Formats: sequence, structure tokens, C-alpha cells
Amino acid sequence: GENVEQHPSTLSVQEGDSAVIKCTYSDSASNYFPWYKQELGKRPQLIIDIRSNVGEKKDQRIAVTLNKTAKHFSLHITETQPEDSAVYFCAAIPGGTSYGKLTFGQGTILTVHP
Amino acid sequence: KAGVTQTPRYLIKTRGQQVTLSCSPISGHRSVSWYQQTPGQGLQFLFEYFSETQRNKGNFPGRFSGRQFSNSRSEMNVSTLELGDSALYLCASSREFGQGEKLFFGSGTQLSVL
Repeated sequence: GENVEQHPSTLSVQEGDSAVIKCTYSDSASNYFPWYKQELGKRPQLIIDIRSNVGEKKDQRIAVTLNKTAKHFSLHITETQPEDSAVYFCAAIPGGTSYGKLTFGQGTILTVHP
Repeated sequence: KAGVTQTPRYLIKTRGQQVTLSCSPISGHRSVSWYQQTPGQGLQFLFEYFSETQRNKGNFPGRFSGRQFSNSRSEMNVSTLELGDSALYLCASSREFGQGEKLFFGSGTQLSVL
């Protein structure tokens, strides 16, 4: 089955800096890669996603890049703010599998210091 | 539109007991997935239901079961509880089953097994 590795496990940045979180996946047939943000005690929220026919997607300060050849994808957050502090999870879905059956990475605890 | 609603928010049980958790998907969503979240294992897929039928199942023992009703609401049951079942159980819904449908999570039920 699919396996997703996520790095780093913790990331600490100063407000205004950029943050990058990287994930690798094992199944070359994977075609959907969402990112979720989970604040303490709250639900995971979908913040951005990308499909395998696209190399990059941006939404304001957040962007995701996908390298299908290397089987890795990354989340980029620019101009970080204290409210970006949360746990971020990447996920992948093999082709032909329902999007309800996500395989998640282990998560990255992002801390943005004012 | 109301989000995914899970009840109860917190549960305390003792080993050997059984527990039932409830999930109401977003109005109009017909597919429901369940995940277990623990500090050690992260987010792991339990099962997915659509049209009152289990469509996908994760690698959990048979003590974990679920069902979906005709109104798309879902329940999951854990029998003969073990200490290791202590976790946050998250329900997520999507409009339809299959590829192309984004997954939205509830806030979860925090289960503690003593």
C-alpha cells in the first residue's frame, strides 16, 4: 500500500520567514495530494491540494509543488504569522482509490515566533 | 452550512467495555470515512462508507466496526476495548464516493480507555 514520509517533524521559524515541509510517497500511481492544518484541539482543515497533472498550485501565502519523477511534494508558507502555528499533515491517494481513504504523513509541528 | 458533527466530544471507558461513536456528515455529503489519530501512529484510516455499504477498510482488528444509515449518518463501534484504543477518532465526509471529492473532517471524539 501507499506509504508517506513527512519531514521535518518539528519546524520553528520567526514571523515573516518562510516555512517548507516536504513529503515523499511510495506509490507511483498516486494522483492526489492534500495538505491539512490542525490547530490544537481542533479539526484537521484542508488548506490546499494538488492533483498529479499539475506541478504547482498557489493560494495567497501557501503553495504546493509536486515532483512526480522523484515522488515528492512540498508545502511552502511565505510571510509566516503566529496564527500559522499548527500541525501540518500531508497525504496521498493512489490512483483508482477513493479520496476518503487518505494515507497521511506523520505530521509537522510548525511554531511561528512573533 | 454546518460542518461534520461528531458526538460525544469526550468519552471515558474501561477495558473490556464497548463504545459507539456517532457522526453526522455535512448536509448533502453521502460518503463518510473514519480515522484514528494517536501521537505515536498519527492519522490512520479505519473505514469508508457510502450508500450504507462499507467501501474501504483499513488495517484494524475486527473489534472495530461501523455502519451508515440511509440519511448518511454513520456510527462506529469498538468492542472489548483495550488501553491502546485510547485515541481521537475523526469522522470525515465528502459529497460522493470516489476520486475528485475533497474530504472534510469533524472535530473528533476523544476516547480514553482506563
